Amino acid sequence: NAGVMQNPRHLVRRRGQEARLRCSPMKGHSHVYWYRQLPEEGLKFMVYLQKENIIDESGMPKERFSAEFPKEGPSILRIQQVVRGDSAAYFCASSPGSRGNQPQHFGDGTRLSIL
Amino acid sequence: QKEVEQNSGPLSVPEGAIASLNCTYSDRGSQSFFWYRQYSGKSPELIMFIYSNGDKEDGRFTAQLNKASQYVSLLIRDSQPSDSATYLCAVRGSSASKIIFGSGTRLSIRP
Repeated sequence: NAGVMQNPRHLVRRRGQEARLRCSPMKGHSHVYWYRQLPEEGLKFMVYLQKENIIDESGMPKERFSAEFPKEGPSILRIQQVVRGDSAAYFCASSPGSRGNQPQHFGDGTRLSIL
Repeated sequence: QKEVEQNSGPLSVPEGAIASLNCTYSDRGSQSFFWYRQYSGKSPELIMFIYSNGDKEDGRFTAQLNKASQYVSLLIRDSQPSDSATYLCAVRGSSASKIIFGSGTRLSIRP
């Protein structure tokens, strides 16, 4: 399967713990995007990364959230000291570039539940 | 004003009819436009993308773009019950960076 791979599919954390969500883009894709989706709501942009660079993090909360996309390995979305409001589905998407004819393809998402 | 707006629905269409989904966007310099389908509990699935004014057809789906009026639409011909889902409009803005999604339109095809 050469699609966007996210893991884990489901993650349960207690308040105050850390959550790490991983995303491996499609083969040949160097652009990664993270989105958050609450039940019955649309996708909210969080951050856009290329290898080793954050291009746009205008949708990221200023505290507790961080993202990286190292030269080797998957992109990581990290949430420190999780709170109940962080419970959501987190989707990763990738594209080969940012030109108009290069759409994003999504992974299956990580469902984060905070106890 | 939201960057990308869609009617949340639900939009109910009889089986076999044409379903018409609309989307407006605020960034006049937006470059490309995407339609995704999302079934409940699943990830978004790309249906079509368009970046030139006019129509683009793919099977039962037609995307229409009018940059002067800043709207993009999706037509689904011969609607099937399996088309029942939430349809997300997405726009890549003039900065060619992030893609912004609308909140989605729930479509229900009634037999």
